[in-house]
Amino acid sequence: GENVEQHPSTLSVQEGDSAVIKCTYSDSASNYFPWYKQELGKGPQLIIDIRSNVGEKKDQRIAVTLNKTAKHFSLHITETQPEDSAVYFCAASRGSFGGNEKLTFGTGTRLTIIP
Amino acid sequence: KAGVTQTPRYLIKTRGQQVTLSCSPISGHRSVSWYQQTPGQGLQFLFEYFSETQRNKGNFPGRFSGRQFSNSRSEMNVSTLELGDSALYLCASSFQAGGQETQYFGPGTRLLVL
Repeated sequence: GENVEQHPSTLSVQEGDSAVIKCTYSDSASNYFPWYKQELGKGPQLIIDIRSNVGEKKDQRIAVTLNKTAKHFSLHITETQPEDSAVYFCAASRGSFGGNEKLTFGTGTRLTIIP
Repeated sequence: KAGVTQTPRYLIKTRGQQVTLSCSPISGHRSVSWYQQTPGQGLQFLFEYFSETQRNKGNFPGRFSGRQFSNSRSEMNVSTLELGDSALYLCASSFQAGGQETQYFGPGTRLLVL
């Protein structure tokens, strides 16, 4: 089955600096890669996702890049703010509707923004 | 639209008991997946339901079961609870667009087994 590795497990950055979280996956058939943010006491919130037919996607201060050849994808947060402090999870799935939607998650990165 | 709702939010049970958790998906979403989140094992897939049928299943023992109703609401049941079942149980609903799915999570039910 799919295996997703996520690094680093903890990350502290100064407010205003950039943060980068990296994930690798093992299943070459995976084609959907979402990122979730989980705050204390809440469920994971989808913040951005990318599908295998694109290499990069941006949404304001957040971007995700995908390298299918190397089987890795990364989350980039620019101009970090205190409210970005949370645990971030990457995930992978085969994505296509019809029974392949199971998400395999990375182990999470605890991001702390230092004011 | 209202988000995914889960009830109850917190639950305390003792070993050997059984528990039923409920999930109401986002309106219009027909697929519901369940995940277990623990500090040691992280987020692990339990099962997924679509149109009242289990379509995908993770590697959990048969004590973990679920079902989905005609209105897409879903329940999961854990029988003969063990201490290791203490976890945050998350439900995610998803919709299909262009042959692809996106999953949205509820706040979870935190289960403590004593």
